[in-house]
Amino acid sequence: RKEVEQDPGPFNVPEGATVAFNCTYSNSASQSFFWYRQDCRKEPKLLMSVYSSGNEDGRFTAQLNRASQYISLLIRDSKLSDSATYLCVVDTGRRALTFGSGTRLQVQP
Amino acid sequence: SQTIHQWPATLVQPVGSPLSLECTVEGTSNPNLYWYRQAAGRGLQLLFYSVGIGQISSEVPQNLSASRPQDRQFILSSKKLLLSDSGYYLCAWSVGAGEGETQYFGPGTRLLVL
Repeated sequence: RKEVEQDPGPFNVPEGATVAFNCTYSNSASQSFFWYRQDCRKEPKLLMSVYSSGNEDGRFTAQLNRASQYISLLIRDSKLSDSATYLCVVDTGRRALTFGSGTRLQVQP
Repeated sequence: SQTIHQWPATLVQPVGSPLSLECTVEGTSNPNLYWYRQAAGRGLQLLFYSVGIGQISSEVPQNLSASRPQDRQFILSSKKLLLSDSGYYLCAWSVGAGEGETQYFGPGTRLLVL
């Protein structure tokens, strides 16, 4: 089983739609969780950290479910500019983070 | 504020040639530094990380090596490139104990080995 697994997509949604991504992780001892965004041919950029209590930043909401070992990202009122690959990132007990392969989102007009 | 630089931005090299990619960080002291590779359409693979000058940990066996000659400088090298070394090389930094804190990426170097 991969340490971090994501549905690669693509998720094709119309503007204004709500879309959600899930990501599962294998190490029950993981403590740090993040969502990064990567635009085509660009470096990944931090979108948000994921806290145990869940957190919201504008149209973006992240949730953590420790019992089932998954994190989720919800995007409301999708914009064309949200089109990107979303990377799920988890610490795996070593001195580094492990990145999922990403979920591609394409928002269409 | 902190910034991270990588160069060159793109590189085309023949098989068997040497490689040197450089990464420097400004605006922070004693950062943790990382080298990742991302093959086309794939996820990020951690290659090396460093928690201090001269301290390098390798995550995967390969023909690449890394060095940290100064606090905010991280270098990725190879003596002889392979075709499979082609990819997008990303340097990242973080501050803390090196155990799960946020990492920030440089703009990367796209390497094509022919």
